[in-house]
Amino acid sequence: EVKLVESGGVEVQPGGSLRLSCAASGFTFDDYSLHWVRQAPGKGLEWVSVISWDGGTTYYADSVRGRFTISRDNSKNSLFLQMNSLRTEDTALYYCAKDLIPFLQYDPGSYMDVWGKGTPVTVSS
Amino acid sequence: QSALTQPASVSGSPGQSITISCTGTSSDVGGDNYVSWYQQHPGKAPQFLIYDVSKRPSGVSNRFSGSRSGNTASLTISGLQAEDEADYYCSSYTSASTWVFGGGTKLTVL
Repeated sequence: EVKLVESGGVEVQPGGSLRLSCAASGFTFDDYSLHWVRQAPGKGLEWVSVISWDGGTTYYADSVRGRFTISRDNSKNSLFLQMNSLRTEDTALYYCAKDLIPFLQYDPGSYMDVWGKGTPVTVSS
Repeated sequence: QSALTQPASVSGSPGQSITISCTGTSSDVGGDNYVSWYQQHPGKAPQFLIYDVSKRPSGVSNRFSGSRSGNTASLTISGLQAEDEADYYCSSYTSASTWVFGGGTKLTVL
């Protein structure tokens, strides 16, 4: 069974930093791109970032570019999101999601086919 | 990147069919891009419903179907059931190598 488990979400003050983790199991981790998607309380889904299967390509939403950094450790089947200069509008449930297609060559990702349950991040003074 | 446009809510009675629209631009939905749909029940993670505009992942009921015309994608649910009551989101890859979601549509089964 493919499983993704996020962790690291806590309450932090504006301007602070946080590192989210996502532990994966049940599939060949380094074959697939991975995404972070967030959902503010009572709001819709917002794509945050993607990292390619080999870690060589990353893309970010405009709202987080320059503040967030996505990374992966294929030896530990783990995905990370380093979040700096946090703002109140970053408050959300953060999901990691596995991409559908392995070894994509021309695009950083395709579809988010399996999602974790999410980890909550609250940015508040 | 602006969110794709979906109706805030739709409703239907059991057994009926409903359609949810998702309007974007030629840089996302209307391009040769990855268009998909997700279902989210309250308090749960999104579930993968439709990809490549109209394909269903293994295990998804054939009551769910997708289509696209120009810059608008659509999700149709036929034979509505109580368990279909959920939020539905469309998504598209964009020409900027990012992804964009629709604002979400709340489906109420009357």
